[in-house]
Amino acid sequence: NAGVTQTPKFQVLKTGQSMTLQCAQDMNHEYMSWYRQDPGMGLRLIHYSVGAGITDQGEVPNGYNVSRSTTEDFPLRLLSAAPSQTSVYFCASSYSPAETQYFGPGTRLLVL
Amino acid sequence: GQQLNQSPQSMFIQEGEDVSMNCTSSSIFNTWLWYKQDPGEGPVLLIALYKAGELTSNGRLTAQFGITRKDSFLNISASIPSDVGIYFCAGHSGGSNYKLTFGKGTLLTVNP
Repeated sequence: NAGVTQTPKFQVLKTGQSMTLQCAQDMNHEYMSWYRQDPGMGLRLIHYSVGAGITDQGEVPNGYNVSRSTTEDFPLRLLSAAPSQTSVYFCASSYSPAETQYFGPGTRLLVL
Repeated sequence: GQQLNQSPQSMFIQEGEDVSMNCTSSSIFNTWLWYKQDPGEGPVLLIALYKAGELTSNGRLTAQFGITRKDSFLNISASIPSDVGIYFCAGHSGGSNYKLTFGKGTLLTVNP
């Protein structure tokens, strides 16, 4: 049981490049979410999903896309990276948002 | 959107001291969660509170769900060096709301 896995751990992008942050969980959780963590800002919700085929926006969705084709995977796409997207990104999963959310180890992204 | 005010932002204490931190909200929450984030890792759930007035302990940690449903606090007794990290509160308003709102965190430093 690997829990929540995220790849890559670190990434450096140039402005305008695109990339996908991968997230997978093996706990059969319906609820998955993406957060970004910036100094002094805490964890801010980007997008979330309540099940395969169902996604919705969180607090800071601009510049990010998501899809949920399977229960296990919830990738986050940056279509055109901007320096303001430099952050640490965490994926989390749980049975519901009010229950224990299991976080992945994070992806540290630097956009130059 | 919903916001959580978490205080203090940071604390510097001596090993053995007790610690108290709290979160307040202008909105009612049906669930309060407390997470700890170790350096370089994702947050991990410490305590979950589901009922107004509930007082729950986990070892040296004690958390309470405020009776107004608009606040919660976390106490750590007899702090030790491994208590170092960022502590986050999170609230969920229940019902059809699928979003979990996080506070900005309290950075705890323990001097041995």
